[in-house]
Amino acid sequence: EEHLVESGGGLVQPGGSLRLSCAASGFTFSSYWMSWVRQAPGRGLEWVANIKPDGRDQKFVDSVKGRFTISRDNARNSLYLQMNSLRVEDTAVYYCLRDYGGVWGQGTTVTVSS
Amino acid sequence: QAVVTQEPSLTVSPGGTVTLTCGSSTGPVTNDLWPYWFQQKPGQAPRTLIYDTSNRHSWTPARFSGSLLGGKAALTLSGAQPEDEAEYYCMLFGSPRVFGGGTKLTVL
Repeated sequence: EEHLVESGGGLVQPGGSLRLSCAASGFTFSSYWMSWVRQAPGRGLEWVANIKPDGRDQKFVDSVKGRFTISRDNARNSLYLQMNSLRVEDTAVYYCLRDYGGVWGQGTTVTVSS
Repeated sequence: QAVVTQEPSLTVSPGGTVTLTCGSSTGPVTNDLWPYWFQQKPGQAPRTLIYDTSNRHSWTPARFSGSLLGGKAALTLSGAQPEDEAEYYCMLFGSPRVFGGGTKLTVL
């Protein structure tokens, strides 16, 4: 069964950093584009970033460019989101998403607050 | 970046049929944008109902179908059930990916 499990969320102060991880299983991770999607409290889904199967191309939503980086380790079947210079408006549940076919994780909560 | 539009809310009677649509500010939605449809219930992660315009997952009830309609992507629910009450999001696979704002579907 195809499965994604996120981890690494938590409470962080504005300006701080956090690294999210997503562990994949049940499919050939190295073959797929992968994305991070977030959902602020009471709001809709927002695509954040994605990365090519070989890791050589990444795209970001404008609001996180220069602050977030996306990476992957195909040997470990893992996806990462490094979040720096965090802002209150980055508070959200962050989901890992396999682009093709739309396989979702259960999400990890990031709270940015002083 | 495209703006993707959905109806903010719709209501359907139990057993009835309703169509949700997904439009793009950049022009007609085509199969090249591989429209996806997701269902999200309160407190749960989204789940994918339809991918690549019209493909169902094994868990997608047959009463849900995807298509292109009048330059938009469409999700049609035929024979609505109470458990279909949820938020529905579309996503277009442009670069970058873009979600619609969601449609709150009430079954009443």
